[in-house]
Amino acid sequence: SQQGEEDPQALSIQEGENATMNCSYKTSINNLQWYRQNSGRGLVHLILIRSNEREKHSGRLRVTLDTSKKSSSLLITASRAADTASYFCATDFPNSGYSTLTFGKGTMLLVSP
Amino acid sequence: DAGVIQSPRHEVTEMGQEVTLRCKPISGHDYLFWYRQTMMRGLELLIYFNNNVPIDDSGMPEDRFSAKMPNASFSTLKIQPSEPRDSAVYFCASSQGQGASKSGYTFGSGTRLTVV
Repeated sequence: SQQGEEDPQALSIQEGENATMNCSYKTSINNLQWYRQNSGRGLVHLILIRSNEREKHSGRLRVTLDTSKKSSSLLITASRAADTASYFCATDFPNSGYSTLTFGKGTMLLVSP
Repeated sequence: DAGVIQSPRHEVTEMGQEVTLRCKPISGHDYLFWYRQTMMRGLELLIYFNNNVPIDDSGMPEDRFSAKMPNASFSTLKIQPSEPRDSAVYFCASSQGQGASKSGYTFGSGTRLTVV
């Protein structure tokens, strides 16, 4: 399978702590994206990092990409209870001239007050 | 924009019945995707369209599944006949441009299908 795999499957932290989630994938990609899914809702796009980028920031989010290791990490700093959700990495890889997103199974993050 | 709109939000049906899921993508988006989410298999891409034309339906599990996009503002996913193993959350997503190069996919809230 081409899909990314997140690690850990579940993460439980206290408010104010940082949360780090990792994603590994198998083939060359155009870009890698991170999404958040709150319980019972659809996925929400958080951040996109291109294959020629190594790090990207958006607010409290920091994403890194290491194409040599085929891995990415998502860091959420100063976490809040509202950050409780599942986080998915999605890889955009070329497929017969088109590209589609393949999602991992996600990391479930629980932030306790 | 109200985002990607899916209906119904919940559907409970008996095995053997026909089920139709509906999706209205974001205006101006030229790609539309149908995904299925289960605990066991995660998010699976079923089919996607570009400018209303089906591009890849290799993810459709069986001939019981079919999808159409008669115009830029509407798509359906139909299961006929439905089976209990089809129980899942079905998501529609849309994007502008190939590979969602800038802003990713926009997902609807999903349809939770239960086949009993």
